[in-house]
Amino acid sequence: DAGVIQSPRHEVTEMGQEVTLRCKPISGHDYLFWYRQTMMRGLELLIYFNNNVPIDDSGMPEDRFSAKMPNASFSTLKIQPSEPRDSAVYFCASSFGANYGYTFGSGTRLTVV
Amino acid sequence: SQQGEEDPQALSIQEGENATMNCSYKTSINNLQWYRQNSGRGLVHLILIRSNEREKHSGRLRVTLDTSKKSSSLLITASRAADTASYFCATDAGDKIIFGKGTRLHILP
Repeated sequence: DAGVIQSPRHEVTEMGQEVTLRCKPISGHDYLFWYRQTMMRGLELLIYFNNNVPIDDSGMPEDRFSAKMPNASFSTLKIQPSEPRDSAVYFCASSFGANYGYTFGSGTRLTVV
Repeated sequence: SQQGEEDPQALSIQEGENATMNCSYKTSINNLQWYRQNSGRGLVHLILIRSNEREKHSGRLRVTLDTSKKSSSLLITASRAADTASYFCATDAGDKIIFGKGTRLHILP
């Protein structure tokens, strides 16, 4: 397996634009997690899915953020409209659950100018 | 909300020495995990220790867990330059895990 695949690796966008981040989890993993990492706040869990169903989105900062998982092999995190304070590294991870290790993707470094 | 807290925040040691990092947490857990993150990369799972285990080994890594003190330690023996990274502990909270802010480890040549 190629691991968790995220795209794009880097994204620079202007304030107000829509941004879509993509993730392909490891086949067979039934949990998918979206994290955001900043120097100030560390790693924050934004939302997670179990069997493609969103379970907990309490970490999503605002209505500008949305996430979908239309099937077991694909998820998106969308920010609309984007703001400079959304600049961070966004990670996707997949797992068999909290009693197992997570496999992280390489992340998307988002810069909103 | 942050569950685990690593100590120290940063650590510099000479190559070949042992490195010890600690993690304290607040509520009861089923398991605790340690991850490594190299600069510009995603996190890599190192080891998972369950609440009924006291010690676990993986290569040069040794993890201990003391549930009575709500603390864990990660020991890296005979450190190498490639061990330079940030190390995070993570504790379970239902279906998810919550990460601490990490310890930045720097191995000096």
